[in-house]
Amino acid sequence: DTAVSQTPKYLVTQMGNDKSIKCEQNLGHDTMYWYKQDSKKFLKIMFSYNNKELIINETVPNRFSPKSPDKAHLNLHINSLELGDSAVYFCASSPSGTSGTNEQFFGPGTRLTVL
Amino acid sequence: DAKTTQPTSMDCAEGRAANLPCNHSTISGNEYVYWYRQIHSQGPQYIIHGLKNNETNEMASLIITEDRKSSTLILPHATLRDTAVYYCASGGSNYKLTFGKGTLLTVNP
Repeated sequence: DTAVSQTPKYLVTQMGNDKSIKCEQNLGHDTMYWYKQDSKKFLKIMFSYNNKELIINETVPNRFSPKSPDKAHLNLHINSLELGDSAVYFCASSPSGTSGTNEQFFGPGTRLTVL
Repeated sequence: DAKTTQPTSMDCAEGRAANLPCNHSTISGNEYVYWYRQIHSQGPQYIIHGLKNNETNEMASLIITEDRKSSTLILPHATLRDTAVYYCASGGSNYKLTFGKGTLLTVNP
């Protein structure tokens, strides 16, 4: 009954490769997010989608491309992987509403290691 | 987007209250204060949030100063399982949460 799930949990790959991380939520939320957590544990938003539309796109290299086939899924594709892309990537989701709050639920994370 | 600052680490004795401070002096009027925690290798877990009033739930209490420039998360009776990194974050209706660098809370027996 996992609320927000990500696959794979671990991803080890060579520099220059292309890889994808998948995220699914079964909470019925309209909004989904990708965060990057670096080695210093700093958590930074990368992208957000609301009802399959991109609403947040922080300063992220265009080698990173999110795709939302439906509002329960948000995948992250990374082209030409670099050493600096090594990090833990978290997916999250939240309900959208008019209250102004933004309680987000996070997945377990994908630890990406680029060699 | 409001920037939040937190102490890097804190210790607390088991069974005592843990009081974790956060400074968010640039928070705007419509931004909420959120607290999350991250236990080693897991995804961040939502704890509580508030706008102006103090809030309490089954996990913790949130005290927000009247000028909203700072807040304190209170774990009333800390247990060893509360050892984690606690993140203070701010965000409004624009779907964006800006996280602080977190406080590593170590609960000691």
